[in-house]
Amino acid sequence: NAGVTQTPKFQVLKTGQSMTLQCAQDMNHNSMYWYRQDPGMGLRLIYYSASEGTTDKGEVPNGYNVSRLNKREFSLRLESAAPSQTSVYFCASSEVRGINYGYTFGSGTRLTVV
Amino acid sequence: QQPVQSPQAVILREGEDAVINCSSSKALYSVHWYRQKHGEAPVFLMILLKGGEQKGHEKISASFNEKKQQSSLYLTASQLSYSGTYFCGTEGTHAGNMLTFGGGTRLMVKP
Repeated sequence: NAGVTQTPKFQVLKTGQSMTLQCAQDMNHNSMYWYRQDPGMGLRLIYYSASEGTTDKGEVPNGYNVSRLNKREFSLRLESAAPSQTSVYFCASSEVRGINYGYTFGSGTRLTVV
Repeated sequence: QQPVQSPQAVILREGEDAVINCSSSKALYSVHWYRQKHGEAPVFLMILLKGGEQKGHEKISASFNEKKQQSSLYLTASQLSYSGTYFCGTEGTHAGNMLTFGGGTRLMVKP
């Protein structure tokens, strides 16, 4: 019953360092997403992949890149981390649009940039 | 355009009822509701589609007024386990629209 798995769960980076957040789902979902959540705030979409082989920018894409490696995996890369990227990052997956479109979220990556 | 949720916070005693509202400025195809407990991931509760179809948690009820672009989540006979932050997510009518989440409503249920 894995659902959506994110690694790592916690990470501390120094300004300017790079890192990749990993996400994998085992529900055969077509669509995958990366959101960030700042303290006391809602979720903001960074990038999404509607289907394998496609990726698109969301609301806050600056400073990030993504790769949809295959149907299961969707990674998020920070090329040069900045303190403003301190946040909790959630990966999610879903079926295509319709009644089964509910998102399943991973447990999150808590990232601190110092 | 982020949907607006109200109230921002509510405190209940066990057994009391609550209504959480979500309002959008754009035409909607669907509305989702999620609950997030502190330090955890959001969990899907319900989806309501334009046209009336809906699917979700058997103990949760919600409504979707397509003309007003509004949705309400009804929590009846609240339990301690209902505590958390509730988010609505809205999807526009154009294909390819992703969910946009509201700012959340904090619900605390006290004994």
